[in-house]
Amino acid sequence: EIVLTQSPTTMAASPGEKVTLNCLASSSVSYMNWYQQKSGASPKLWIYGTSNLASGVPNRFSGSGSGTSYSLTISSMEAEDVATYYCLQLSSYPPTFGSGTKLEIK
Amino acid sequence: EVQLVESGGGLVQPGRSLKLSCAASGFTFSNYYMAWVRQAPKKGLEWVATISTSGSRTYYPDSVKGRFTISRDNAKSSLYLQMNSLKSEDTATYYCARLHTMGPRHYFDYWGQGVMVTVSS
Repeated sequence: EIVLTQSPTTMAASPGEKVTLNCLASSSVSYMNWYQQKSGASPKLWIYGTSNLASGVPNRFSGSGSGTSYSLTISSMEAEDVATYYCLQLSSYPPTFGSGTKLEIK
Repeated sequence: EVQLVESGGGLVQPGRSLKLSCAASGFTFSNYYMAWVRQAPKKGLEWVATISTSGSRTYYPDSVKGRFTISRDNAKSSLYLQMNSLKSEDTATYYCARLHTMGPRHYFDYWGQGVMVTVSS
């Protein structure tokens, strides 16, 4: 089983600040997916195939990475970005999620 | 519009059974793999089961293998999760999710609103 380790666990960013969330895989994966989950809501597909934004996702978001290291970047933090972000690998079974990064606003 | 609506959750005693349902609409259900993902209270996401388009292939993590059974009825555009021998650690919100497999990159692209299952005496 591939273990995904997300960092940081929690972070707070100021409006306009650049934010980078990380996801480290215990073995190499071909691509990474990211989900946004707001409090009390279902997860939403946010980034798929490492760098493709899901429909409706603002272009201040971007994804990158390869092998065992992937990241989600927000170029300029906004209040609506407050949420928990999870990475998910489907390169090999079983599918595994990271433990999430809770993003707050200062 | 793609919609996934779960039902069947509730409070159940340890060792008992429960069956969840997921009604799908807004897409050709029989063309998609489907899955269940759960989230324990205040915890992260955990994949629970996946089923192929025809239902002939199913996949489970070790944590539920032998206790949970995923199935589907393509004529009714419905997905099911039969949960037996329930344990307290199965307490979670269960989400039905559509699995996009058309291409080299797979991902869960649509999720239901979730249904709560509480296992307690």
